[in-house]
Amino acid sequence: DIQMTQSPSAMSASVGDRVTITCRASQGVTTYLAWFQQKPGKVPKRLIYAASRLQSGVPSRFSGSGSGTEFTLTISSLQPEDFATYYCLQHGNHPFTFGPGTKVDI
Amino acid sequence: EAQLVESGGGLVQPGRSLRISCAGSGFAFGDYAINWVRQAPGKGLEWLGFIRTQPYGATTDYAASVKGRFTIFRDDSKSIAYLQMNSLKSEDTANYFCSRYSLSDILFTFDNWGQGTLVTVSS
Repeated sequence: DIQMTQSPSAMSASVGDRVTITCRASQGVTTYLAWFQQKPGKVPKRLIYAASRLQSGVPSRFSGSGSGTEFTLTISSLQPEDFATYYCLQHGNHPFTFGPGTKVDI
Repeated sequence: EAQLVESGGGLVQPGRSLRISCAGSGFAFGDYAINWVRQAPGKGLEWLGFIRTQPYGATTDYAASVKGRFTIFRDDSKSIAYLQMNSLKSEDTANYFCSRYSLSDILFTFDNWGQGTLVTVSS
């Protein structure tokens, strides 16, 4: 099974900061990698699919990059509504696996 | 508008079984695989399993943590996918979500989720 790791596991940031979250897969998943944002009590929301494609309606300050085993999610200028937990998900090989999450707070 | 709605959650005793449902509307349900994902209280997301479409034999894959206890099946005539959970344990307590997955277009993978149904395993 493919193991997903994320770093950092948690971070404190300020409005306007540039934030980068890294996701690593134990085996290559090409670009079958998605990023989700989840706020407390809410359903996960897909931000990025195919490693770098922006979900329609998601602000352009979010971007994704990478392929194979290393991926990044970048928020270019953190906004108040971006404080949340972020998860990566690989769906290149079964079983699919989520990363453990990165909590971004103030 | 595509929509998924889970139902059937509730309180169940350890060792018992429960079946939860995922009903789709606003899209061609039979054209999509369906994933089940859960989230225990205060924990991260855990992918549980997946059922392909009928052209792919409606075959399934599961996470090791639930393989042999959980079964996914679907009734496309009703646009419903099911998660049959047997021999439930306290650690199965979680909010259970379903999400659609296109086998032919990566745009439509995990793009739509239900609101979740809470399963509590306790005596």
